[in-house]
Amino acid sequence: QSALTQPASVSGSPGQSITISCTGTSSDVGGYNYVSWYQQHPGKAPKLMIYEVSNRPSGVSNRFSGSKSGNTASLTISGLQTEDEADYYCISYTSTYTRVFGGGTKLTVL
Amino acid sequence: QLQLVESGGGVVQPGRSLRLSCVASGFSFGSYLMHWVRQAPGKGLEWVAVISYDGNSKYYADSMKGRFTISRDNSKNTLYLQVDSLSPEDTAIYYCARRGSMDVWGNGTTVTVSS
Repeated sequence: QSALTQPASVSGSPGQSITISCTGTSSDVGGYNYVSWYQQHPGKAPKLMIYEVSNRPSGVSNRFSGSKSGNTASLTISGLQTEDEADYYCISYTSTYTRVFGGGTKLTVL
Repeated sequence: QLQLVESGGGVVQPGRSLRLSCVASGFSFGSYLMHWVRQAPGKGLEWVAVISYDGNSKYYADSMKGRFTISRDNSKNTLYLQVDSLSPEDTAIYYCARRGSMDVWGNGTTVTVSS
């Protein structure tokens, strides 16, 4: 159960778009449409932003979108806002019925 | 409103055991799969375990097998995590989360393993 691979950090200016990747294997990301993304601000609990690759929960801004190609899932945030600055984590269902997180990506809004 | 409240954390000596609890309210607890996730200080999220809605199926991260036991009491709307033979590496905030997508999280309970 190796962690999914995410970039340690990404940055962007207000109004720009950024994409965070999440790379796994055919036994997790590539094999199932059960990838979720979470936003975590310092000292807070994680918040679900995207589930089942590309679905947004009620109340989450449509500036957040998800996709998947092969073994890599992606989270795109458009129209960056200062409040988007946070850590972002992906997670995938696996072939052994477990789950595995990515290492997390720190988003800085310059 | 939907709520999960963890408890049972604290400072514990290495080698001891601890049972964490997660009380659910605002939804039909017995209808949902539940997870435990932990986060060591300054580190990322680490998935710990999952239990089916009826408690009959349980799965653990490889690194957690043997010392961690997930369970639930649907009559008490409560999820549990038993952790045995605690080591300093188990120091973390422990969160519970609802359903496969982890759409609802508690605020976590902090476990510190130190002599």
